[in-house]
Amino acid sequence: SQQGEEDPQALSIQEGENATMNCSYKTSINNLQWYRQNSGRGLVHLILIRSNEREKHSGRLRVTLDTSKKSSSLLITASRAADTASYFCAPSSNSNSGYALNFGKGTSLLVTP
Amino acid sequence: KAGVTQTPRYLIKTRGQQVTLSCSPISGHRSVSWYQQTPGQGLQFLFEYFSETQRNKGNFPGRFSGRQFSNSRSEMNVSTLELGDSALYLCASSLADYLSTDTQYFGPGTRLTVL
Repeated sequence: SQQGEEDPQALSIQEGENATMNCSYKTSINNLQWYRQNSGRGLVHLILIRSNEREKHSGRLRVTLDTSKKSSSLLITASRAADTASYFCAPSSNSNSGYALNFGKGTSLLVTP
Repeated sequence: KAGVTQTPRYLIKTRGQQVTLSCSPISGHRSVSWYQQTPGQGLQFLFEYFSETQRNKGNFPGRFSGRQFSNSRSEMNVSTLELGDSALYLCASSLADYLSTDTQYFGPGTRLTVL
């Protein structure tokens, strides 16, 4: 499975602002997932977008996928201090060969009151 | 449903020792994956087990091994511990039926410190 690369590495915003982070990958995918990790804890699955989808929403989250550019973006609207975490993308081309997600370094988001 | 559980949560060992970490997946989940997370290398895939068989393996030395039992519970073992093995070890489970995607559900992790 391939690795995603998140950009920027770090992002600092104030509560109420929107946060956008990007993910790039190299080869074709079946789906792309975004995960969140609060400091020192396990990852939490946020959203999955399939290769035939261009946009998906979940609450304050909006994910876009551009397969021609091999990139995805995660938008968090009206950020809250509780959104402070690291965010990882995981592009996946897994099928029957098994589930192995390769994560990048992530984007570290800091939301200040 | 209960989430993924990992035991122990914290562990301190010395160089040269070995360690066994345990993971209980979400009930009904058949795939279990293990990851190592360090500040320098980030989150790296170790291996994945499905139906008691290792299906995928990351780029780690043979000191790292694992197994899965018939009830899908999994253990990973690290032998001859090195200082660089200090990390957060995360276990994740997936439903892995023919309709599912590879969405993974993570446990809280085991924090291993090697002195």
